[in-house]
Amino acid sequence: AQKITQTQPGMFVQEKEAVTLDCTYDTSDPSYGLFWYKQPSSGEMIFLIYQGSYDQQNATEGRYSLNFQKARKSANLVISASQLGDSAMYFCAMREAPGSNYKLTFGKGTLLTVNP
Amino acid sequence: GAGVSQSPSNKVTEKGKDVELRCDPISGHTALYWYRQRLGQGLEFLIYFQGNSAPDKSGLPSDRFSAERTGESVSTLTIQRTQQEDSAVYLCASSLSAGASYNEQFFGPGTRLTVL
Repeated sequence: AQKITQTQPGMFVQEKEAVTLDCTYDTSDPSYGLFWYKQPSSGEMIFLIYQGSYDQQNATEGRYSLNFQKARKSANLVISASQLGDSAMYFCAMREAPGSNYKLTFGKGTLLTVNP
Repeated sequence: GAGVSQSPSNKVTEKGKDVELRCDPISGHTALYWYRQRLGQGLEFLIYFQGNSAPDKSGLPSDRFSAERTGESVSTLTIQRTQQEDSAVYLCASSLSAGASYNEQFFGPGTRLTVL
């Protein structure tokens, strides 16, 4: 079974509007971390935001926020006030308990296009 | 300080040849990861190094793949007898350690490998 599922291969949003990118995950470990990375066409992976499984509040970083619904195992990324520079691939990733050697397991990504 | 660097940035090789990819992690980062990203896909974990511990090779797809790391410095990923299916971007990441629940992985720019 997929550990990280991103069901939206592509998303379009108008500049200055908000957009939600979906991510669901599957784990039986009580301790895990969820990450979102941005990958522009240049290829580099840019860390955006992190949510720990024990964090009581949803993570926020500037225009990025993470809608963490633990019971539903979802960790959706919300980008507010989209900008043209937000056009990129977005990857959700999970890091499980210490025994997993901390590797990140990635979803297949969502290609976001911001229209002017 | 500098980020994670990788060389070469691009490598074109003929099927059957061996290739060596290099990663220079951020100074002081004890954990180092190699990932592979096929065209249009998410990242797949290949191998993980943590300090002087035995590496986790569980993600290596075949015995043609191997990697080394000397202490907490440079790592090399070697692919022997390359096949066309090895064509991908190979990304290296490093983090401060793998012992904390949250340690952001910083990614290098990747090496784009094309096997003709």
